[in-house]
Amino acid sequence: DQQVKQNSPSLSVQEGRISILNCDYTNSMFDYFLWYKKYPAEGPTFLISISSIKDKNEDGRFTVFLNKSAKHLSLHIVPSQPGDSAVYFCGGGTSYGKLTFGQGTILTVHP
Amino acid sequence: DAGVTQSPTHLIKTRGQQVTLRCSPKSGHDTVSWYQQALGQGPQFIFQYYEEEERQRGNFPDRFSGHQFPNYSSELNVNALLLGDSALYLCASSTAYEQYFGPGTRLTVT
Repeated sequence: DQQVKQNSPSLSVQEGRISILNCDYTNSMFDYFLWYKKYPAEGPTFLISISSIKDKNEDGRFTVFLNKSAKHLSLHIVPSQPGDSAVYFCGGGTSYGKLTFGQGTILTVHP
Repeated sequence: DAGVTQSPTHLIKTRGQQVTLRCSPKSGHDTVSWYQQALGQGPQFIFQYYEEEERQRGNFPDRFSGHQFPNYSSELNVNALLLGDSALYLCASSTAYEQYFGPGTRLTVT
């Protein structure tokens, strides 16, 4: 039972353009959603979050959109930079902080 | 602030053996969660400890057990290792919803 799905294993984008990473979920009980990014040999690093009662949250170059009716969220990175190249995981969280993650999307930003 | 630390970094064990992984949470954090990340997959929740008690548990067999100490550090124990237990084991600490992850312990079972 995969409650969080990231259907695109990889995404390649030119520097300066927009990167859009997508995530679908099935569990309506998630209270919040988060995006983490992970570099090789490091643990995941928190990027941005959104409460289940919001539809948008913005932090600098990163914006997360939540469409509850479609059970879909997306992460927009504008403009994309080569340093953004990493694996991005979306996750849903419930009370007490249990996180359920998708499989990840490898983002490559080309100079 | 050292952040979340985990030891050891890498570990190689044989099938049937037992292993103990350790985690020190970020300063001020009282909750520790453990995740297993298999190759090409996202992290999967194993369990969470708060006030030295297991508060939540994911779909992992009883071979996976843990402990939290009064200083909030934590151990993950896996008994009767299987080849399928080979993975990156991540520890995360938190006080609220945002979880801070350590670099992980890479466990290889041969």
